[in-house]
Amino acid sequence: QVQLQESGPRLVKPSETLSLTCVVSGYSISSGYHWGWIRQPPGKGLEWIGSIYGSGSTYYTPSLKSRVTISVDTSKNQFSLKLSSVTAADTAVFYCARHTYGSGSYSFEYWGQGTPVTVSS
Amino acid sequence: QSALTQPASVSGSPGQSITISCTGTSSDVGTYNLVSWYQQHPGKAPKLMISEVSKRPSGVSNRLSGSKSGNTASLTISGLQAEDEADYYCCSYAGSSIWVFGGGTKLIVL
Repeated sequence: QVQLQESGPRLVKPSETLSLTCVVSGYSISSGYHWGWIRQPPGKGLEWIGSIYGSGSTYYTPSLKSRVTISVDTSKNQFSLKLSSVTAADTAVFYCARHTYGSGSYSFEYWGQGTPVTVSS
Repeated sequence: QSALTQPASVSGSPGQSITISCTGTSSDVGTYNLVSWYQQHPGKAPKLMISEVSKRPSGVSNRLSGSKSGNTASLTISGLQAEDEADYYCCSYAGSSIWVFGGGTKLIVL
């Protein structure tokens, strides 16, 4: 059974960098699939942030591209999100998820439980 | 890329059918048969309910069905049950390695 678990600071100061990690169990990241980050501001909808393939190739949503970095550590079977220069507008629940790309359904099949992050001084 | 457009809420009585629309553009929904639908209960992670416009993953009720016409995709839930009350989100691949979600629809079971 594939499981994903997000972790990281729940409070980040404005202008600083938000850093989250998603640990994957039940599947080896380097075996395939793509791994993404999605966020959900309080009371609002979902927004895809970006994704990474096990090889390290990345792609991001255009509106956040200048502030986002996603990386992978196959030795720890985890991938990470960094979002720089955060503001209160970046306050959200952040989810990690597995999806297909290039073949398959292109849908987000497995999700972490989500971790809330608040940007505040 | 702009978010896909969904109605803020839809409602129905137990046993009835409802349909949630998801309107995009010719760059996303209209071009790709890669629309998926997610159910989200309060405080929980989204759950994949429909992929590739109309395919149900194993374990998803056959009361749910998906379709697409032009730039609009739709999710239909028949035989409404109390447990169906949740938020529903559509998502489409938009080309150029980009995914876009809808704003979400709150389903209210009366």
